[in-house]
Amino acid sequence: DIQMTQSPSSLSASVGDRVTITCRASQGINNYLTWFQQKPGKAPKSLIYGATILHDGVPSKFSGSGSGTDFTLTISSLQPEDFATYYCQQYNTYPYTFGQGTKLEIK
Amino acid sequence: EVQLLESGGGLVQPGGSLRLSCAASGLTFSTYAMSWVRQAPGKGLEWVSVISDSGGKTYYADSVKGRFIISRDNSKNTLYLQMNSLRAEDTAVYYCASRPPIDYWGQGTLVTVSS
Repeated sequence: DIQMTQSPSSLSASVGDRVTITCRASQGINNYLTWFQQKPGKAPKSLIYGATILHDGVPSKFSGSGSGTDFTLTISSLQPEDFATYYCQQYNTYPYTFGQGTKLEIK
Repeated sequence: EVQLLESGGGLVQPGGSLRLSCAASGLTFSTYAMSWVRQAPGKGLEWVSVISDSGGKTYYADSVKGRFIISRDNSKNTLYLQMNSLRAEDTAVYYCASRPPIDYWGQGTLVTVSS
């Protein structure tokens, strides 16, 4: 199975900050990577697919980059509604594994 | 507006069975592959299964292979997950989701496996 490792596991930041979350795959995944946001008690929300493509309606403050095995999610100008847990998932090879999550908290 | 509405969760004893349903609207269901993803209490997301748009291809996580069956009825715009031989470690919120790459999620249904 492909292992997806996110770093950091948790992150404290302030409103207005820019943050970056990293996701590393144990082998190449051809940019078949997606990012999700999840708030407590809610279903996840899809943000990015194909490593860099924003889903419809997702604000441009979210951006994805990377290729091969190393990927990043960047959130610019943090607002209170952005504090949540973020997950990456590869959909290149079954089973479609998730990262363990990165909890973004308010400093 | 796309809506995915899961139902069928509840409390079941170890070794028991449960069938989850996911009613889809706002999308051309028969052209979408569909997924199930679960989340144990306080834990991260775990991919469970996927089915092709026609239902002809299915894939499973090793943790559920041989116990769970994913299926769909395109005439009813409904996705199913038949869960057999349930274990305590299957306790989770189960989400139905469209495609991979996942674009839409349901609100989830809680399955609790306990005696």
